[in-house]
Amino acid sequence: QVQLVQSGAEVKKPGASVKVSCRAFGYTFTSHYIHWVRQAPGQGPEWMGVINPGGGGTTYAQRFQGRVTLTRDTSTSTVYMGLTSLRSEDTAVYYCGRVAAASPDALDIWGQGTMVTVSS
Amino acid sequence: QSVLTQPPSVSGAPGQRVTISCTGSSSNIGAGYDVHWYRQLPGTAPKLLIYDNTNRPSGVPDRFSGSKSGTSASLAITGLQAEDEADYYCQSYDSSLSGYVFGTGTKVTVL
Repeated sequence: QVQLVQSGAEVKKPGASVKVSCRAFGYTFTSHYIHWVRQAPGQGPEWMGVINPGGGGTTYAQRFQGRVTLTRDTSTSTVYMGLTSLRSEDTAVYYCGRVAAASPDALDIWGQGTMVTVSS
Repeated sequence: QSVLTQPPSVSGAPGQRVTISCTGSSSNIGAGYDVHWYRQLPGTAPKLLIYDNTNRPSGVPDRFSGSKSGTSASLAITGLQAEDEADYYCQSYDSSLSGYVFGTGTKVTVL
């Protein structure tokens, strides 16, 4: 079964860093780009960046430049999203999403989401 | 603050047709970038409904259709059902931001 499985919820203090994983199952990991999207409570989705699991190339949203890092481990079919200098506004559910085979950038498979809470 | 604007809410009776607009600009929809639509139920991840403006993924009923014209796109739902109550988001690429953007979101209520 094609699916993305994310790591569990995190609670962090302001100024700390977090690393969320997204493991792919049921398809060729290197054949589909992975995007990261976050959603603050009561808000709409917000795009953070994309990684090519094949070559490792990344593109980040301007507002997260310098704070977010996407990496991948092809041996375990896992993508990681690291976010530094956390502040309360980073409290959100973080999702990974796979680009569909039939489209250059639509996301057809999503992880279940990882809640990151930033609180002192 | 999103660059893609949607109405906050739309509603309709069971069986009726509703449409959701997604208004952008010359740096996103108007520049020719594709629009995708997602449905999101509370506490769950978004689900792809329409990709590349008009296409339905396998398993999505033909009650859902998408269109695009100029700087706007629309999602139509015909034969409205109770299970269609959810939040709907459009998505596209924006060249001025050099990144992807989501719409402000529309809550569909079945009366």
